[in-house]
Amino acid sequence: DVKVTQSSRYLVKRTGEKVFLECVQDMDHENMFWYRQDPGLGLRLIYFSYDVKMKEKGDIPEGYSVSREKKERFSLILESASTNQTSMYLCASSLWLAAYNEQFFGPGTRLTVL
Amino acid sequence: TQLLEQSPQFLSIQEGENLTVYCNSSSVFSSLQWYRQEPGEGPVLLVTVVTGGEVKKLKRLTFQFGDARKDSSLHITAAQPGDTGLYLCAGEGGTSYGKLTFGQGTILTVHP
Repeated sequence: DVKVTQSSRYLVKRTGEKVFLECVQDMDHENMFWYRQDPGLGLRLIYFSYDVKMKEKGDIPEGYSVSREKKERFSLILESASTNQTSMYLCASSLWLAAYNEQFFGPGTRLTVL
Repeated sequence: TQLLEQSPQFLSIQEGENLTVYCNSSSVFSSLQWYRQEPGEGPVLLVTVVTGGEVKKLKRLTFQFGDARKDSSLHITAAQPGDTGLYLCAGEGGTSYGKLTFGQGTILTVHP
């Protein structure tokens, strides 16, 4: 059974803390994505990666960075967490060369910044 | 930036009713996907439509892609409580690396 796993389902951090969200996929997918999901706004793309050590900014990259040292792992980093980064964070992966790329999602991490 | 406007944002209906969710854009998409998300889970793909005018059926769900590939609709016939969830449309612009643009989502509640 194909899987995308995220390191935590729930996370509570304080303003100014450095936060790491980890995502691992076991499908040997080239593409990996980080989204945040907020009510009424759908999914907004933060960063994506199409290969190891490669990254591209999405629509809302400010305040975030990413790391992809291994093909199966994609990390989202909040350098200095702020309350407006309280959100649901979803990781996804897809095949690079597949037509009409289906994205496979993890269960999400609900992050609260106090 | 490509945008997808999804409506309505909320839908609360009785079991057995029909409903339609719309997804509209001023941009052309190479394909349009519909996902369903249940509480505590990530979205799961329902269908992909790729040809203008295409209609796909999945049991009681009918998906349509507009002729100009700028809009799509999801129609559910005789809704059941098990259809409750968040429905998301997502367009692929044919640019780089399978990036998707998501609509805002429709929260559907079907009451028994």
